Amino acid sequence: KQEVTQIPAALSVPEGENLVLNCSFTDSAIYNLQWFRQDPGKGLTSLLLIQSSQREQTSGRLNASLDKSSGRSTLYIAASQPGDSATYLCAVRTGGGNKLTFGTGTQLKVEL
Amino acid sequence: EAEVAQSPRYKITEKSQAVAFWCDPISGHATLYWYRQILGQGPELLVQFQDESVVDDSQLPKDRFSAERLKGVDSTLKIQPAELGDSAMYLCASSPSGQAYEQYFGPGTRLTVT
Repeated sequence: KQEVTQIPAALSVPEGENLVLNCSFTDSAIYNLQWFRQDPGKGLTSLLLIQSSQREQTSGRLNASLDKSSGRSTLYIAASQPGDSATYLCAVRTGGGNKLTFGTGTQLKVEL
Repeated sequence: EAEVAQSPRYKITEKSQAVAFWCDPISGHATLYWYRQILGQGPELLVQFQDESVVDDSQLPKDRFSAERLKGVDSTLKIQPAELGDSAMYLCASSPSGQAYEQYFGPGTRLTVT
């Protein structure tokens, strides 16, 4: 059974700092990995999708890497802003049914 | 930009009552998913549809939950009777067929059972 772990569970940083969020998964036989952002009480916004054959994806200040063999992904946020404050979730797609297995998220707070 | 629509956004119900949620996926997306997210946890898949057919409902509590997607477009998730432990966010997502595609999520329905 696929298990996804995210560390740290919570993180507080000053504005402008670069930061890294970590995601690990137990079964390396994944199709892809998706990073999401969730604001309090809201739905999920897709940030980046990395296919199993890719090593990284970039969108603006966000960069996600994937090391499938070691079961790890990182989300790098450059020059953090207060508007980046949210919970960040990673999810991996395994099996024939396109099912996503989620981690429990990292709650990020960027302070002025 | 096309979005997944869900209604209602918030629902408060008493235990033992029936409750229903509605989802309209992005046009053309054949695959539709219902997830449940308990506060502080990641979403967990309840049921997955490919067009009008259920392809995975292994985590759906079938004694009280039911889901349908009769015409392969919009979908309804029902709980009857609701229990206190059903309080959660219910999220709907859709994607084109195939593993390579992103899943797009709706705003969710926050259910509180009293």
